Amino acid sequence: SAVISQKPSRDICQRGTSLTIQCQVDSQVTMMFWYRQQPGQSLTLIATANQGSEATYESGFVIDKFPISRPNLTFSTLTVSNMSPEDSSIYLCSVVRDNEQFFGPGTRLTVL
Amino acid sequence: AQSVTQPDIHITVSEGASLELRCNYSYGATPYLFWYVQSPGQGLQLLLKYFSGDTLVQGIKGFEAEFKRSQSSFNLRKPSVHWSDAAEYFCAVKSGGYNKLIFGAGTRLAVHP
Repeated sequence: SAVISQKPSRDICQRGTSLTIQCQVDSQVTMMFWYRQQPGQSLTLIATANQGSEATYESGFVIDKFPISRPNLTFSTLTVSNMSPEDSSIYLCSVVRDNEQFFGPGTRLTVL
Repeated sequence: AQSVTQPDIHITVSEGASLELRCNYSYGATPYLFWYVQSPGQGLQLLLKYFSGDTLVQGIKGFEAEFKRSQSSFNLRKPSVHWSDAAEYFCAVKSGGYNKLIFGAGTRLAVHP
């Protein structure tokens, strides 16, 4: 299994500001994933983060809005930039181990 | 393009009744299939997965799912539902060589006492 922690667990932010979400895994992984779950919706992949290279973004997501860092094999951050109320979602970090995908507890973001 | 369809947005069952949640996928090759559960305020927990082999897979919490290639389905079942099973259930598919998960819209399960 994989133990994943995220910080913060929740936050309320003002529009126009930015929030950085941290994801820590209990052991080294090659790829880390960031998902978004909008209210009442399913999960959508934002990007895949490999250590030492630029993140790969899915259609509809751009680096300027969701910059990602991956400084080592156990840690990643996702920043939600210039926030608007439409960014209110749960953001989840995920890793794959032994062909199984594990998810962090999520960060619940509310933008006013 | 790969996709996952969960036709039932919301299902209500009585405690002790049987349960079947439907999942249909669209994928060209043999899919890797998953069922996750998300309880209120909780993260996602893997219930079971199918990669190959026996098409009837057993998972945690008494759940099972059957892969039917001819119907492109991977329905989740439980013979007797408990009140604690009330949650959101997500079916997901992953390509064999790429770790991106594509999720269905989810089915919200309510359990009546």
